[in-house]
Amino acid sequence: AQSVTQLDSQVPVFEEAPVELRCNYSSSVSVYLFWYVQYPNQGLQLLLKYLSGSTLVKGINGFEAEFNKSQTSFHLRKPSVHISDTAEYFCAVSDPSTSYGKLTFGQGTILTVHP
Amino acid sequence: GAVVSQHPSWVICKSGTSVKIECRSLDFQATTMFWYRQFPKQSLMLMATSNEGSKATYEQGVEKDKFLINHASLTLSTLTVTSAHPEDSSFYICSATSGRARNEQFFGPGTRLTVL
Repeated sequence: AQSVTQLDSQVPVFEEAPVELRCNYSSSVSVYLFWYVQYPNQGLQLLLKYLSGSTLVKGINGFEAEFNKSQTSFHLRKPSVHISDTAEYFCAVSDPSTSYGKLTFGQGTILTVHP
Repeated sequence: GAVVSQHPSWVICKSGTSVKIECRSLDFQATTMFWYRQFPKQSLMLMATSNEGSKATYEQGVEKDKFLINHASLTLSTLTVTSAHPEDSSFYICSATSGRARNEQFFGPGTRLTVL
């Protein structure tokens, strides 16, 4: 079974500061990894994904994440945040061997960017 | 591309009534659709996985007779909450994958259900 742990439930930062949202996973098999963003009362939007290849993945809105297999982590980073980045962020994992791409989500991290 | 819509975006109903939520893939054929529920300040919990033309696979603890899922075409799946009660109030989100991009789920905007 797979599980995802997002270590911080809330992260407050000031505008233009860097931010890192932490994600650790546990799995007995290889995984695909995802970060999604959710704005209030909306669905989820994919920020970036790791399927294979380079461990540094770049996504939309200036976000990037690094897959670290030895530490089973997939932390999300942005060098300079904007007010508009205020949202909830979810890390998710899926098993590549399954046919349907079933996702297991972390608990979510609320990022609040202050002016 | 890869747009998923849900209808309605919100619904309020009386306890004991049934509510149907539609999930449509607008510009691709969705071989698989997923239904999630999300309680306030919580993560998404997968309820069921449905493939076009076959019965849905429900996650442990989800009552299949209460949450009826139909995936009759490659662009439409419906979730019917039967005999809804206040504890069914939640945010319901669907997602879809296509055969060409089965590693990525495209999410709908969600439906807020409030049962009075």
